[in-house]
Order: sequence, then structure tokens, then C-alpha cells
Amino acid sequence: EVQLVESGGGLVKPGGSLRLSCAASGFTFNTYSMSWVRQTPGKGLEWVSSISTSSTYIYYADSMKGRFTISRDNAKNSLYLQMNGLRAEDTAIYYCARGFGTMVRGPCDYWGQGTLVTVSS
Amino acid sequence: DIVMTQSPDSLAVSLGERATINCRSSQSVLYNSNNKNHLVWYQKKAGQPPKLLIYWASTRESGVPDRFSGSGSGTNFTLTISSLQAEDVAVYYCQQYYIPPFTFGPGTKVEIK
Repeated sequence: EVQLVESGGGLVKPGGSLRLSCAASGFTFNTYSMSWVRQTPGKGLEWVSSISTSSTYIYYADSMKGRFTISRDNAKNSLYLQMNGLRAEDTAIYYCARGFGTMVRGPCDYWGQGTLVTVSS
Repeated sequence: DIVMTQSPDSLAVSLGERATINCRSSQSVLYNSNNKNHLVWYQKKAGQPPKLLIYWASTRESGVPDRFSGSGSGTNFTLTISSLQAEDVAVYYCQQYYIPPFTFGPGTKVEIK
């Protein structure tokens, strides 16, 4: 069974940093692209970032470029999102999601339950 | 960036009736190399992660009931629920995965009339 479990969320002050993790199991992690997607309170879904199987291709949403860094450790079956310079508008539930095989430019078929990040003083 | 719009913002449909949601992209998401539209539909229920319904604009994900169907090409797309069930109450999002950033539409809330 495919499982994605996010962790690392919490309360952080504006300007602070957090590192989210996503532990993957039930599939061959190094053969799937991965993504982070967030849902802000009362608002819709927002794509954050995607990474290819060997980290060759990495993409970010414009508002996260330079502040967020996606990475993966295929040996540990884990995906990460380092978030720096956090702003109030980054408050959201962050979801880890699996892509369609090696395709970075593809949909996500499995999602974790999400981890809540709250940016507030 | 490709801007995704959806209409309506919300709709209320009687049980067993048809629900139609429209999605438009600011530029074509049809990839000539594979002749596929890089457009996906997700269902989002409160307190749950998104669920993949339709990809390549019209391919139903395994296990998704056949009352859900997707159509369209280029810049105009439609998600149809042919016979609304109570469990279909949710917000539905389209997303393009043609060019990063892979933008979502604003969502359409579907309720029971």
C-alpha cells in the first residue's frame, strides 16, 4: 500500500524556517517524481514544487523561488521541503504527493494527509 | 504563467442530476509531441487530501466511478458528474501540468440542492 506521511509542520514566526519531511513507503520511491502542494486556510490548492526521480529537474512556484528548497533522499525514501523566510501567507496545510512515474510534468496520484504550517508572531 | 479559471464558483445540483464544471487555461495545454492535454481534475473534500479523478483531460483514474468524465482540448475543459451522489459534495480543481508553474484553478464547490 502506498503511504506518504508528512511531518515537520508547526508554528513559526515570520522570517523563520521550517523543514518538512515526507516518508514514503509501499512503492519504489526512486522511480517516481514527487511534489509539494499546499492549501491555504479557506482558499484553494496551490502547487509549490516538484522534483524528478534523480533531482535533475526541479521546479518551483514563483512566490517560493529563492525561499523554498525541495530535495529528496532516495536511499531514505524521503522527500523534503526546506522553507526559509516564511511569511504569514505561507500558512497552509502542506501535502506531499507522488507523481506519475518519472514524469515531473504529470499529475499526482497519491497524497499524504498533510502537515499544518502556521506562520504567526 | 498559465492562468487557470473555473466556472461556476459553486453550484447546487439535485441528487441524481448532472453537474458540469468548466475549466479554461490562458494558453493551450495540448502537447503536440504526445497529442495529450496536460490537464488533471482533482476532488477535494474537507479534511481529506485531494483525490485524482481525471488526467490527460479525459482519462479516468482507476477506481473512480464512471459517472465522472472529463472532456475538452486546448484551452477549454469540462468535468461532468452525470448523476450526482451525496458523496460527491466537494470542491473540484483543475490543474495544468504542461508548463511549470503547474497552476491550479480556483476550484468549484459542488453542493446538493
